[in-house]
Amino acid sequence: NAGVMQNPRHLVRRRGQEARLRCSPVKGHSHVYWYRQLPEEGLKFMVYLQKENIIDESGMPKERFSAEFPKEGPSILRIQQVVRGDSAAYFCASSPGREMGTEAFFGQGTRLTVV
Amino acid sequence: AQTVTQSQPEMSVQEAETVTLSCTYDTSESDYYLFWYKQPPSRQMILVIRQEAYKQQNATENRFSVNFQKAAKSFSLKISDSQLGDAAMYFCAYRSGSGANSKLTFGKGITLSVRP
Repeated sequence: NAGVMQNPRHLVRRRGQEARLRCSPVKGHSHVYWYRQLPEEGLKFMVYLQKENIIDESGMPKERFSAEFPKEGPSILRIQQVVRGDSAAYFCASSPGREMGTEAFFGQGTRLTVV
Repeated sequence: AQTVTQSQPEMSVQEAETVTLSCTYDTSESDYYLFWYKQPPSRQMILVIRQEAYKQQNATENRFSVNFQKAAKSFSLKISDSQLGDAAMYFCAYRSGSGANSKLTFGKGITLSVRP
């Protein structure tokens, strides 16, 4: 009964490279959310996806960032041409529904460091 | 826009004592949920307790309880009989609506340390 699995746990990229962060939701969950956490800050919403569809991307920068949640396989958060300011912990959460009282289950996050 | 404020960056409590963590929020919605999440050093976000705004009775989960004051838009977490394992960052979060509006809005968090 695996929870939300994120990999890698740690990712180091040089400026200008691409970062790919993966998230496998809880089995049976079709709703995935990505959040970013800067040091000493709370989690900030980036994007909400439901199988094959982006529902809300209002928190995701328009350039260099993209997300997908294909019919098969994990959700991917992709950051192109990374910059130092992208260094943060990125969390994925999944839920079985989108009702406001539904519990969101979080992964352990991917800590991205841009050098 | 909804905002969640946790004004205390850190707190400390003696083991076995009680501690209260504060949270205020701002919203124009009438129905919503409030949550407290715990983030230990492992970084895993763990749901501690949740409260629906329409319910007047304060939620309780074992040693954790909330004091929900809807008119004051206040949602504090009380931890009774504090244990060493309670040491972590605690985040207050808000969620309203469904569909495109179903994201969580978090406060900045508070670091709780427990003294043996």
